[in-house]
Amino acid sequence: AQSVSQHNHHVILSEAASLELGCNYSYGGTVNLFWYVQYPGQHLQLLLKYFSGDPLVKGIKGFEAEFIKSKFSFNLRKPSVQWSDTAEYFCAFSNTGNQFYFGTGTSLTVIP
Amino acid sequence: DTAVSQTPKYLVTQMGNDKSIKCEQNLGHDTMYWYKQDSKKFLKIMFSYNNKELIINETVPNRFSPKSPDKAHLNLHINSLELGDSAVYFCASAKAGNYEQYFGPGTRLTVT
Repeated sequence: AQSVSQHNHHVILSEAASLELGCNYSYGGTVNLFWYVQYPGQHLQLLLKYFSGDPLVKGIKGFEAEFIKSKFSFNLRKPSVQWSDTAEYFCAFSNTGNQFYFGTGTSLTVIP
Repeated sequence: DTAVSQTPKYLVTQMGNDKSIKCEQNLGHDTMYWYKQDSKKFLKIMFSYNNKELIINETVPNRFSPKSPDKAHLNLHINSLELGDSAVYFCASAKAGNYEQYFGPGTRLTVT
C-alpha cells in the first residue's frame, strides 16, 4: 500500500539547535515530494518540493530536504531553528496516477 | 488576493443538522480536494475532484457529498451531522493531481 511515514511524532528543540525530520514513502514508481508546514491555527503552506533534478532542494525560511531514492526518503533539515519554527510539519508525495498522500505529521516545539 | 478561500471559518451546529462549507479557488487549477483534520492534526483526504472525475475516499460516510458548480468551486455538504464530524475541514486545489496543493484557511466545525 502507498503511504508516507514520519517517524518523529513530536520533537522538542532549543533555539539554534539543528533539525532533521524523517520522512519515508512507500511507492515503487516516480514521485513528486513535498514538505508542508502548518503554524498554530493556520492552514498548510508549502515549504519545499522535489520533482526532478538536484536531490537536495532548498525551500523557504532556511529549510532544505534531500531526496534519497535508494532509501525512499525525503528528510527535512534546518541548521538552526528559531522559536517561530514551532509548527506541525507534513511530508507528502504524489505519484503518476495523480494520487496524493500525506504523512501523519511531526509536531515541532522550539523552546526560546 | 486569496488563492483558496473557504466559508465559513467557524461553524457551530447541533447534531442532526445539515450544513455546507463553500470553497473557491482563483488559481485556475483543475483539481480540488477536501480534507478533514482531527484533533491530533492527522489529515485525511475525503475527496479529490477535477472536471472529469470524482474520487471518493471509501471510508468517508455517504452523509458527506461534494458539489462542484464549476471548476473554481467545490463545496462540501454534510447531512445529519454527528459529534464525530467535529474537526477542521480544509479545501485545497492543484494544477494537476500530482502538483503541489494550495490550501484554504480551514473551517472549524463543532457539532454539539
